Amino acid sequence: KQEVTQIPAALSVPEGENLVLNCSFTDSAIYNLQWFRQDPGKGLTSLLLIQSSQREQTSGRLNASLDKSSGRSTLYIAASQPGDSATYLCAVRPGGGGSNYKLTFGKGTLLTVNP
Amino acid sequence: NAGVTQTPKFQVLKTGQSMTLQCAQDMNHNSMYWYRQDPGMGLRLIYYSASEGTTDKGEVPNGYNVSRLNKREFSLRLESAAPSQTSVYFCASRRTGGDGYTFGSGTRLTVV
Repeated sequence: KQEVTQIPAALSVPEGENLVLNCSFTDSAIYNLQWFRQDPGKGLTSLLLIQSSQREQTSGRLNASLDKSSGRSTLYIAASQPGDSATYLCAVRPGGGGSNYKLTFGKGTLLTVNP
Repeated sequence: NAGVTQTPKFQVLKTGQSMTLQCAQDMNHNSMYWYRQDPGMGLRLIYYSASEGTTDKGEVPNGYNVSRLNKREFSLRLESAAPSQTSVYFCASRRTGGDGYTFGSGTRLTVV
């Protein structure tokens, strides 16, 4: 059974700092990995998606990397801003056929960026 | 705006009551999903529908039923609500062959 772990569970940083959020998964046979953002009381917004054949994806100040063989992904946020404060969730989609539609989520990292 | 719409946004039920959570998407996506989110547990899949006319159990299906009414709508029913079903419920959809999932804004359900 796939398990996804996110470390740290919570992180507080001053504005302007570069930071890294970590995600690890136990089964490396994944189809892709997705990073989401969740604001309090809101739904999930997709940030970046990395296919299993890719090493990284970038969007603005965000960069996500994937090392499938070691079961790890990182989300790098450059020059953090108070508006980045949210919970960041990592989710993996299994590879192979059959029931490969289902995402397995980590429990998230609660990020607070202080002005 | 196109997306996934969930109703209601908030609901309080008494133990034993029934209710249906509604979800509709206007993106012509084939696949739809119901997740629940609990503190310390993350999001867990309840049921999903890979295409119109099909539904399958996810990780935590007990106590729930679903109906894929048509391509747009996927409802989740609690026949006899229990306090353990207090949670935030999210509906999501995905285009066949696509990778990205679109989530609704959630339904906060409290069972007392």
